[in-house]
Amino acid sequence: DGGITQSPKYLFRKEGQNVTLSCEQNLNHDAMYWYRQDPGQGLRLIYYSQIVNDFQKGDIAEGYSVSREKKESFPLTVTSAQKNPTAFYLCASSSASPEAFFGQGTRLTVV
Amino acid sequence: AQKITQTQPGMFVQEKEAVTLDCTYDTSDPSYGLFWYKQPSSGEMIFLIYQGSYDQQNATEGRYSLNFQKARKSANLVISASQLGDSAMYFCAMRGGYNFNKFYFGSGTKLNVKP
Repeated sequence: DGGITQSPKYLFRKEGQNVTLSCEQNLNHDAMYWYRQDPGQGLRLIYYSQIVNDFQKGDIAEGYSVSREKKESFPLTVTSAQKNPTAFYLCASSSASPEAFFGQGTRLTVV
Repeated sequence: AQKITQTQPGMFVQEKEAVTLDCTYDTSDPSYGLFWYKQPSSGEMIFLIYQGSYDQQNATEGRYSLNFQKARKSANLVISASQLGDSAMYFCAMRGGYNFNKFYFGSGTKLNVKP
């Protein structure tokens, strides 16, 4: 089945550590996105990519980094510069069809 | 700048009744798309319905309909015959503007369906 796979589902990070969240899609979509969601809040755009080897900052890119070396993959690294990383992270992709498709999300907790 | 506003943080509805979730948007671009997503407690985002800015008729998908009033820049979601499984967060979103590949989300409305 086509879809978006995010892993891991739960992730724990120690203070000062970098962690990488995985996002893979087999929908052949050109555009991919990373969103952050805090409890009871909406989705805020971290980074997005419209094509391989190109990506743009969203509204809250500080403390995060991404790469887009393959069309199928758009990993997000939460760096130690992100002071409050505990949140729910959602990856999405889109193409010519209007809607965006989402993965199941990764819950990141700082311990 | 593109902006989505949802003014109802939480709502209650009796099972089998209809409910309207409000959404207003702001854009200066003539071409855009409007969406509603459902997010149950599991966290997944479920696409419900889409309305294009040039569509003449309101979109409908089963029990969901989108009340699109272009002049008022509103895109309210109507859920008919509410079910207990409709209890979730609902997000209004817009795709468009300078970068048609960007999606903008509202802050969401938490819907609780009472038996």
